[in-house]
Amino acid sequence: DQQVKQNSPSLSVQEGRISILNCDYTNSMFDYFLWYKKYPAEGPTFLISISSIKDKNEDGRFTVFLNKSAKHLSLHIVPSQPGDSAVYFCAANPGGKLIFGQGTELSVKP
Amino acid sequence: DAGVIQSPRHEVTEMGQEVTLRCKPISGHDYLFWYRQTMMRGLELLIYFNNNVPIDDSGMPEDRFSAKMPNASFSTLKIQPSEPRDSAVYFCASSLAGGPGELFFGEGSRLTVL
Repeated sequence: DQQVKQNSPSLSVQEGRISILNCDYTNSMFDYFLWYKKYPAEGPTFLISISSIKDKNEDGRFTVFLNKSAKHLSLHIVPSQPGDSAVYFCAANPGGKLIFGQGTELSVKP
Repeated sequence: DAGVIQSPRHEVTEMGQEVTLRCKPISGHDYLFWYRQTMMRGLELLIYFNNNVPIDDSGMPEDRFSAKMPNASFSTLKIQPSEPRDSAVYFCASSLAGGPGELFFGEGSRLTVL
């Protein structure tokens, strides 16, 4: 039973355009969310996070939006670069552990 | 800091054999996590420890799986006997605090069971 869902297994975007990765969760008690980025043959690395007291958090080209009523968050990458090509995992922290989604593979084409 | 260190990076074994995956967390981190990555379920939490004590093992799929943390700098995940459906990438991660906070992952152990 997936509590964190990423329904798009893959996304292809042109360099310079916006990438939007989506994530849904089922438990309204979740109050902290993170995005991780994973390159092939490497472990996931932390990218950006957001607390439920906010609806937006920005870090350079990366912005995460949180819609609590819809139990939905999204990661925006603007502008997208070929080096952003990776698998992106959304995660929720219910306290003590992280629950991850299935991941979305982003491909940014030059 | 060397980061989280996992071994082996790759393991190919035959069905029925015992598999042991190893992890050295970042020094000073209180929490250690074992995850498994599959296409269908993404990163699936198997078990995590706090100060060497298992806190939640509800993600361990079957009795064939076991994990130990004999001290703060070492943990093992054992599968006995292994089955082809256990083939996956297994990640170890550690963190300084239970949450909210980021986990630091190792590079993973890719297991193939023939």
